[in-house]
Amino acid sequence: GAGVSQSPRYKVAKRGQDVALRCDPISGHVSLFWYQQALGQGPEFLTYFQNEAQLDKSGLPSDRFFAERPEGSVSTLKIQRTQQEDSAVYLCASSPRTALEQYFGPGTRLTVT
Amino acid sequence: AQSVTQPDIHITVSEGASLELRCNYSYGATPYLFWYVQSPGQGLQLLLKYFSGDTLVQGIKGFEAEFKRSQSSFNLRKPSVHWSDAAEYFCAVGGGADGLTFGKGTHLIIQP
Repeated sequence: GAGVSQSPRYKVAKRGQDVALRCDPISGHVSLFWYQQALGQGPEFLTYFQNEAQLDKSGLPSDRFFAERPEGSVSTLKIQRTQQEDSAVYLCASSPRTALEQYFGPGTRLTVT
Repeated sequence: AQSVTQPDIHITVSEGASLELRCNYSYGATPYLFWYVQSPGQGLQLLLKYFSGDTLVQGIKGFEAEFKRSQSSFNLRKPSVHWSDAAEYFCAVGGGADGLTFGKGTHLIIQP
């Protein structure tokens, strides 16, 4: 069956540009998470959705980061006015319920130049 | 606050030898524990998980892990590694609405 998909797989942005990263979770999965993985580090939690409700955004590093999941399925992570420190792999994960294992997509590698 | 420590940044093992990757966690309640593997350019694949019950859990690809509450550990083991096991391994704790907390990972190198 189809897993979690993310697009684009690679994105190069000039400093100051806005970017939008897309996540298609596994069909029927209620929970959706975004993580940021810097080079040589483990993933770090950014935000969590249960259906269309964003229940936790405590991990978003600044107000330049914004995530949405308007219909409870596809999610978009938007970064405004990108900075070099935003360069990382952004991972999306989905889960049938909150307290179960998460299934990860391949990630989007963002490079800000 | 919850945290995960993977004390070994790199481990080198000969093909066919046994493997143990260490993981220590800090968590306020009964933890949900996970091991994920990440190959270059790939997402994270779940190897195994511990929620409750038997403290020795079996996973995919011949991996197992043992939960030891007294040591706050969840070490990953494999009796005989294959060259295809070379990858980055992450231990994680959590699973609630605040997501998973990951360790920094252990890079596994397999020598022929």
